[in-house]
Amino acid sequence: NAGVTQTPKFRILKIGQSMTLQCTQDMNHNYMYWYRQDPGMGLKLIYYSVGAGITDKGEVPNGYNVSRSTTEDFPLRLELAAPSQTSVYFCASIIGPDSGHEQYFGPGTRLTVT
Amino acid sequence: KQEVTQIPAALSVPEGENLVLNCSFTDSAIYNLQWFRQDPGKGLTSLLLIQSSQREQTSGRLNASLDKSSGRSTLYIAASQPGDSATYLCAVRLNTGFQKLVFGTGTRLLVSP
Repeated sequence: NAGVTQTPKFRILKIGQSMTLQCTQDMNHNYMYWYRQDPGMGLKLIYYSVGAGITDKGEVPNGYNVSRSTTEDFPLRLELAAPSQTSVYFCASIIGPDSGHEQYFGPGTRLTVT
Repeated sequence: KQEVTQIPAALSVPEGENLVLNCSFTDSAIYNLQWFRQDPGKGLTSLLLIQSSQREQTSGRLNASLDKSSGRSTLYIAASQPGDSATYLCAVRLNTGFQKLVFGTGTRLLVSP
């Protein structure tokens, strides 16, 4: 298994541009998450999904959108990028509720908005 | 609202020392607690997972304990090595429908030869 993969690894955006961060997992996990990590801080939840077609907001959803058309993919869309969105973005997944299992993380996407 | 705190924020030790990293959380209604390692510019590697019903977990030189009633966990690293240098993050999984992780801000560890 490749686990959780993310693309791109790095990206520089100008203010007002848009982009999609890709996330794919091949473990047939139902639950998927997007977190952001600002320098010197822990991770904060942006959006999550409990299955294909079901998504919901986390703590810091403003400026982002997600979709979940398949079990494997959970892309994160940034519309009208702002400097405050400069961060490292991590996608994560877990098999499902009450599983007692670990949450698996992708390698991250480092985004700079200038 | 669940808050997770890690102390100290940074720690520098000589090689060979045993050390303890601390994690505290405000709400004991957790499903489990996970310790991660993060190397600079890299993703998160899961080290240990402790279920809410467990007291400790061990993996090699690492031992993690959990005291849910007092809202505390410790990560004990025995015989530290320079390769242990990294940031260590503690995260609790909430006992709610979507079971998100709430993270601490991490302890940055430097082990010098």
